[in-house]
Amino acid sequence: DAGITQSPRHKVTETGTPVTLRCHQTENHRYMYWYRQDPGHGLRLIHYSYGVKDTDKGEVSDGYSVSRSKTEDFLLTLESATSSQTSVYFCAISDGVLAGELFFGEGSRLTVL
Amino acid sequence: SQQGEEDPQALSIQEGENATMNCSYKTSINNLQWYRQNSGRGLVHLILIRSNEREKHSGRLRVTLDTSKKSSSLLITASRAADTASYFCATDKVGGSQGNLIFGKGTKLSVKP
Repeated sequence: DAGITQSPRHKVTETGTPVTLRCHQTENHRYMYWYRQDPGHGLRLIHYSYGVKDTDKGEVSDGYSVSRSKTEDFLLTLESATSSQTSVYFCAISDGVLAGELFFGEGSRLTVL
Repeated sequence: SQQGEEDPQALSIQEGENATMNCSYKTSINNLQWYRQNSGRGLVHLILIRSNEREKHSGRLRVTLDTSKKSSSLLITASRAADTASYFCATDKVGGSQGNLIFGKGTKLSVKP
């Protein structure tokens, strides 16, 4: 299994509070991604990174920010959580060689009350 | 917007039977991938087929791609109870960013012993 660790795995928070999810990899892969998974929508890309301090927006980036200060860590921040951000968040990594094959973490389930 | 759409949404079969899932997409692609997700877990890459390939095999998996119809199928032969999972197609569209895959909503497969 690819070395990807997401933390926390479960979090319950209240509307308006900031939340940070962390993705840590031990594979030294260049590309890292944050997806959210919701019933009826499948997986949707939030943000991705193609190198340290290089990030870009995905399909559903509003309300989210990311940072990547080290190759191994990719942080997803919800500055002010809303109930619509209740979801399961997946981090994924890619080495950019295997034509975009992604390796996924186990997910972080976030509930915003 | 959703690129890949799987069909059927849910499929229930007996152990030993074959399972076929279909995926349709909208734009030109570089490759198409299939992933499996067991309940409560992250996605696992199964197989990748490039746009210039028509068929690919991996163990009990057979994938076909018809770029003229913008569709793909995943066949699992001699299914087992352990194949119970959700299956997603993901496309890497032409001109898209590295690894910026677009996922369908998935087919939920249930294999009964």
